[in-house]
Amino acid sequence: NAGVMQNPRHLVRRRGQEARLRCSPMKGHSHVYWYRQLPEEGLKFMVYLQKENIIDESGMPKERFSAEFPKEGPSILRIQQVVRGDSAAYFCASSPYSPPSGNTIYFGEGSWLTVV
Amino acid sequence: AQKVTQAQTEISVVEKEDVTLDCVYETRDTTYYLFWYKQPPSGELVFLIRRNSFDEQNEISGRYSWNFQKSTSSFNFTITASQVVDSAVYFCALLLGDSGAGSYQLTFGKGTKLSVIP
Repeated sequence: NAGVMQNPRHLVRRRGQEARLRCSPMKGHSHVYWYRQLPEEGLKFMVYLQKENIIDESGMPKERFSAEFPKEGPSILRIQQVVRGDSAAYFCASSPYSPPSGNTIYFGEGSWLTVV
Repeated sequence: AQKVTQAQTEISVVEKEDVTLDCVYETRDTTYYLFWYKQPPSGELVFLIRRNSFDEQNEISGRYSWNFQKSTSSFNFTITASQVVDSAVYFCALLLGDSGAGSYQLTFGKGTKLSVIP
């Protein structure tokens, strides 16, 4: 499967624990995006990364959330000290070209985080 | 700021009926891209189509067709002879074509939940 790979698919964390979500983009894609899907709010942009660079993190909550896309390995979305309000589906997406060209943006299967 | 409206929250149809999902967008940019994604009950987001603002030709892919009308800022999606497997939430999204945050941040509508009843 050459698609965007996300893991884990489902993750349960207790309040105060850390959650790490991983994303491997499609082969040949060097642009990664993270979106969050909250009930009743729809899909919202969180962060855009290229290899070793955060291009735009304007959609990330100011505290506890961070993202990286190292030179080697998957992109990681990290949530520290999770709270119940972090329960959501987190989608990773990737694209082959730099904006503003007409990218087709492909999404992964999502990681469902439940905070208990 | 850009916006995507999917006024239909939920639609139910009987199998083999045709169904149209509406999408209306707002942007002041002249270059932009419109997308449709499908989210089946299993949860993944499946890319269906991308259309750029300079191409108003309708597109057909099997039982799926899309009607893009700039005059009404709409990009509607029709499923012909619907099947149970079409049951999903469908999202319309907008991407701007000029440089800046809008060129890589998809703006999504709230989605339309389609239920196809056998």
